[in-house]
Amino acid sequence: RKEVEQDPGPFNVPEGATVAFNCTYSNSASQSFFWYRQDCRKEPKLLMSVYSSGNEDGRFTAQLNRASQYISLLIRDSKLSDSATYLCVVNEGTYGQNFVFGPGTRLSVLP
Amino acid sequence: ETGVTQTPRHLVMGMTNKKSLKCEQHLGHNAMYWYKQSAKKPLELMFVYNFKEQTENNSVPSRFSPECPNSSHLFLHLHTLQPEDSALYLCASSQGQGGEQYFGPGTRLTVT
Repeated sequence: RKEVEQDPGPFNVPEGATVAFNCTYSNSASQSFFWYRQDCRKEPKLLMSVYSSGNEDGRFTAQLNRASQYISLLIRDSKLSDSATYLCVVNEGTYGQNFVFGPGTRLSVLP
Repeated sequence: ETGVTQTPRHLVMGMTNKKSLKCEQHLGHNAMYWYKQSAKKPLELMFVYNFKEQTENNSVPSRFSPECPNSSHLFLHLHTLQPEDSALYLCASSQGQGGEQYFGPGTRLTVT
């Protein structure tokens, strides 16, 4: 079983749509969680950390369910510039050292 | 310069060559990381340094040799690589272990 799994995608949505990505992780001792976005042939950029209480940053909302070992990312009112691959990242290390990346979910926002 | 920089951006090397990748962070962070990103595969964590000390080595072959002379600089020394080592090598830094990571633009390596 893969350590971090994500929706396989790709997601093709029209501008203005709401889209949700799911991520599951296998290590129940995981400490911290993040969403990154990666544009084609570029480095990953931090989108947001994911907190137990859930957190929101503008059009983006992240949720964490530790009991189900599940993380989600919701994008509202999607823009063309949101087109990218979204990476779920889980920090598994006891001392916060082992970052495990999911395979990513590709999003294309269409005009 | 700001953020995390990496040089060179592109590198082509033969299997018998020795080369080094360089990473520098200008963020005042104390942890630095090397990752490998191959086509169609998730990012793989290779090495972690915290305050210049290596704290993680994810079963990386010895033909990859990291060096961290201080908290701002990280090197990856390469020798006798294989064609399957061709990939994008990304450096990242964070404030503290396990914190939010900031990535450099990567070195795209091709081994011929």
